[in-house]
Order: sequence, then C-alpha cells, then structure tokens
Amino acid sequence: EPEVTQTPSHQVTQMGQEVILRCVPISNHLYFYWYRQILGQKVEFLVSFYNNEISEKSEIFDDQFSVERPDGSNFTLKIRSTKLEDSAMYFCASQGTSGRTDTQYFGPGTRLTVL
Amino acid sequence: AQSVTQLDSHVSVSEGTPVLLRCNYSSSYSPSLFWYVQHPNKGLQLLLKYTSAATLVKGINGFEAEFKKSETSFHLTKPSAHMSDAAEYFCVVSESYNQGGKLIFGQGTELSVKP
Repeated sequence: EPEVTQTPSHQVTQMGQEVILRCVPISNHLYFYWYRQILGQKVEFLVSFYNNEISEKSEIFDDQFSVERPDGSNFTLKIRSTKLEDSAMYFCASQGTSGRTDTQYFGPGTRLTVL
Repeated sequence: AQSVTQLDSHVSVSEGTPVLLRCNYSSSYSPSLFWYVQHPNKGLQLLLKYTSAATLVKGINGFEAEFKKSETSFHLTKPSAHMSDAAEYFCVVSESYNQGGKLIFGQGTELSVKP
C-alpha cells in the first residue's frame, strides 16, 4: 500500500540554524500539507500546497517558513532560522484528487529539537 | 469557523469492555469528519471517515462512529477493547467545503486499556 515517507525521523539543531524537513507524498496525489504537534498539544495546520503554490497558510507559517516541491516527488518544509519554540513533531500529509472528502494520508513525522 | 471538541482528555477501560470516545463538532455546513489514531512514537493513522453518506461509519480494527447532526456529535465506539487499542485518538473535521481543505484537530483523547 502506498505511504507517505518523511526524513529524517529526528533532527536536532541549534537555535538560529536552518533546517529542511523532507517528505515524499503518495504518487499521483495533488494536495500536500504540513502540520505540527508541539509536545502535549493538539496537531496544528501549517500550510497547504496545490499546483505548485501555497493554497492556505496558518498564522504560525510566518516568513521563517517556506515550502517547495523541487522535483515533482519531494515536498519540503524549510525553517530559515529556528527558534526554541519550533521544537515539535512535524507531519507531512498528501491527499488525492477527490477534494475534501478524500483522505489525507500522514507520514510518520519528523521530530525537530531546537537547542 | 469549524471546530472540534473532544470531551475527555483521558479514558481508561478494561480489556474486553466497550470503548466510547466522545466528540462534538461545530460547522456551518455539512462537514467531513474523521477519527485518527496515534500510537506512541508513530504517525497518524486514519481509523474512519464520514463524508455525508451513511451516518454509521465502520472503520478499521472494529471501531465505528455515528454522525448525529441533531447533536453535532461523532462519537467513536468499539464493543470490546484490546490492549493494542491503547493510543491517542483524534477527532478531526475538514475545514473547507472546496478541494484541499485543511484538517482541524481536536485536543485528543488518550485511551488506556487495563488487563
């Protein structure tokens, strides 16, 4: 069964450093998402991406964040200058072509620790 | 705006007894509703979804949920709990009526299963 994959599974970085989180969505899916879950809190939407551009972004997704689909298969989330409060589990999700009734399939997540 | 409220942060049951995880939603139109499960150190797995078809939805691992519009509820049930059901459960609503809607997560309910 196709699945969403994410790398790395765990990333440790120093405050102020740039990180890139990588995701390989399910092939032929058209909608891509990033969510995050700070320890002990609910899962929060960050950004959605469709047709090579951002569809929607949350207040969390400020200028320090960017997303890209560089080669038609990978979907990346970049944090330019990490802060302590960026420490969280980051989930990538992809969705097929049937609109909002289609399931969003989640990857296993990348745990980001900012020191 | 749509929202989801999970009424219990923690539920504890004995193995072999029924499970009830409660969820209420708020939506200005017909929502798509989902239950996801997260086992420790794992990603988010879809249990079941409601998308305006049958109001009683059956999912994986013996779980089911009933959409009750009059009560704005989407409670998750299972007749007999198994030790492997111990996990965090999230009730989720799809935010947008159009394609590519972001997911709004509830706070989560941690299910413990005692032997």
